[in-house]
Amino acid sequence: SQTIHQWPATLVQPVGSPLSLECTVEGTSNPNLYWYRQAAGRGLQLLFYSVGIGQISSEVPQNLSASRPQDRQFILSSKKLLLSDSGFYLCAWSPGLFTDTQYFGPGTRLTVL
Amino acid sequence: GESVGLHLPTLSVQEGDNSIINCAYSNSASDYFIWYKQESGKGPQFIIDIRSNMDKRQGQRVTVLLNKTVKHLSLQIAATQPGDSAVYFCAENIGYGNKLVFGAGTILRVKS
Repeated sequence: SQTIHQWPATLVQPVGSPLSLECTVEGTSNPNLYWYRQAAGRGLQLLFYSVGIGQISSEVPQNLSASRPQDRQFILSSKKLLLSDSGFYLCAWSPGLFTDTQYFGPGTRLTVL
Repeated sequence: GESVGLHLPTLSVQEGDNSIINCAYSNSASDYFIWYKQESGKGPQFIIDIRSNMDKRQGQRVTVLLNKTVKHLSLQIAATQPGDSAVYFCAENIGYGNKLVFGAGTILRVKS
């Protein structure tokens, strides 16, 4: 069966510091991968998605970037965090390019102080 | 732009009653919809999905209804249990890359 991992689970970072969140998927190959951000009490905002190694699509202009160095690895980064980057970051995967369910990881709670 | 929204932000039901959570969508070209359940501090969990060529789909204690005429989606939970308390999101597939647009969410509170 497929499993999706995210780490760290929680992170507290000062403003201006760098960020690296990692997501890995097991039990599947060539998945579509997604990064979402969820503000407190709100819905999910799609940040990036990837349909293959090195292929990244950005959905919103922001202080963040994403990379996919390996088939089942998706990384969310920032060079300098802002207060507004605080939130719950979720990674998800889906098996196909069209009309497939997305399966979510456990999330990373990021607090920028 | 296109969006998915929910009618009710909070729904309180008595344990054992049936729950109905509603969702309106605006993209008439969407052909795939998903309901997720999210418990506090956790990632969303898939509940049930439906494609646009169907009007109804049933799972274990859950039923999703799709009305394409009025662009409305609903999730019915039978015999609601305390463990059903969570935030429920509907999501709409918007095309290549299997991108989803999520609604704001409905909080379901089950009273014992």
